[in-house]
Amino acid sequence: DVKVTQSSRYLVKRTGEKVFLECVQDMDHENMFWYRQDPGLGLRLIYFSYDVKMKEKGDIPEGYSVSREKKERFSLILESASTNQTSMYLCASSFGDSHGYTEAFFGQGTRLTVV
Amino acid sequence: AQSVTQLDSQVPVFEEAPVELRCNYSSSVSVYLFWYVQYPNQGLQLLLKYLSGSTLVESINGFEAEFNKSQTSFHLRKPSVHISDTAEYFCAVSDPNQAGTALIFGKGTTLSVSS
Repeated sequence: DVKVTQSSRYLVKRTGEKVFLECVQDMDHENMFWYRQDPGLGLRLIYFSYDVKMKEKGDIPEGYSVSREKKERFSLILESASTNQTSMYLCASSFGDSHGYTEAFFGQGTRLTVV
Repeated sequence: AQSVTQLDSQVPVFEEAPVELRCNYSSSVSVYLFWYVQYPNQGLQLLLKYLSGSTLVESINGFEAEFNKSQTSFHLRKPSVHISDTAEYFCAVSDPNQAGTALIFGKGTTLSVSS
């Protein structure tokens, strides 16, 4: 079974803190994604990466950055957490072009509360 | 850019009744289409997908969806729902000419099944 593991299920941070959300996948997937999920808004793409050290902005990158130093790990960084970043964060991964298409596999999510 | 519209934000039904969750997408060119399900406090799981071939696709738990290119729709149906089908359902689309790029999601439909 494909496994996408997010380091924390629940996280509480203070305004202004630098926050790291970690995601690891064990299927040698080229692509990794970070989404944010809010009630009534569905999933919105923050950033994605199609290779090590490569990244692309999604629809809502402001206030976030990412890091992909190894193929299996994709980190989301909140440079200075704000209350409007309180949300559920979902990591996903999938194969890239060379393998033909497969669906994206999701982690369990990290519910982040910024106080 | 692709977009996905889920026409109903909430669908309440009684157990053993039929249900249809509606999904329309914006592009008239080739697409890959997906339905994901999210049970409370969990990540997203793939329910079914359309990549090519038969326009009717089925899941192992009795759901089916039909790809209708002329109407740009991919509605999800089940002839008889169970309490355990209570969850949030997301329709998603991707571009087959860019395999592995990020899925674009609708805002979700909450299916509530009561006895």
